[in-house]
Amino acid sequence: SSELTQDPAVSVALGQTVRITCQGDSLRSYYASWYQQKPGQAPVLVIYGKNNRPSGIPDRFSGSSSGNTASLTITGAQAEDEADYYCNSRDSSGNHLRVFGGGTKLTVL
Amino acid sequence: QLQLQESGPGLVKPSETLSLTCTVSGGSISSSSYYWGWIRQPPGKGLEWIGSIYYSGSTYYNPSLKSRVTISVDTSKNQFSLKLSSVTAADTAVYYCAREQWLPNDAFDIWGQGTMVTVSS
Repeated sequence: SSELTQDPAVSVALGQTVRITCQGDSLRSYYASWYQQKPGQAPVLVIYGKNNRPSGIPDRFSGSSSGNTASLTITGAQAEDEADYYCNSRDSSGNHLRVFGGGTKLTVL
Repeated sequence: QLQLQESGPGLVKPSETLSLTCTVSGGSISSSSYYWGWIRQPPGKGLEWIGSIYYSGSTYYNPSLKSRVTISVDTSKNQFSLKLSSVTAADTAVYYCAREQWLPNDAFDIWGQGTMVTVSS
């Protein structure tokens, strides 16, 4: 079982704001990173660290964290944001071991 | 522009060893700033971290796979490799290699396109 818990599915109306969450004990100590994956494609990093976006990622994507919960927020969701989103962090032992959340399917209505 | 490319057999028989190589181009695998990782995704399922390696050879493995996994690095070829022994149908997946940033900003920032490996007789 995953040590990072995500809601399996979330939906958002076009142009509205959606928050995707990731819960786990390790998030009290380490940042999560977030990945977007569209069908048949490799995952793409969208948020890492406190709230960093790689080059080319739109600024409607942002990240935050509180306690044992990390969040990915999409402000003004677009049709092209429909995808699976995965969080990743270290495991709760604090070692180098990495763990992914189970993923959240985002539907843009 | 750094790129990663997985290569290896697309079909492996049960009980045999799966072997994949990731070739890094456009940059050096010997950079002190990064680890290099393997991640897999069974059909229709989520991502699973397999393990990571530093250019010096230091490795970290997913405990659930540790007894069957070996990751190695060849800096002269700018490649790192994955071996997974005693495979079963449950090891059928798309296998990705990725560059891994370390603390404080842990992230897999660059990914290969992935390669599908099917375990079947």
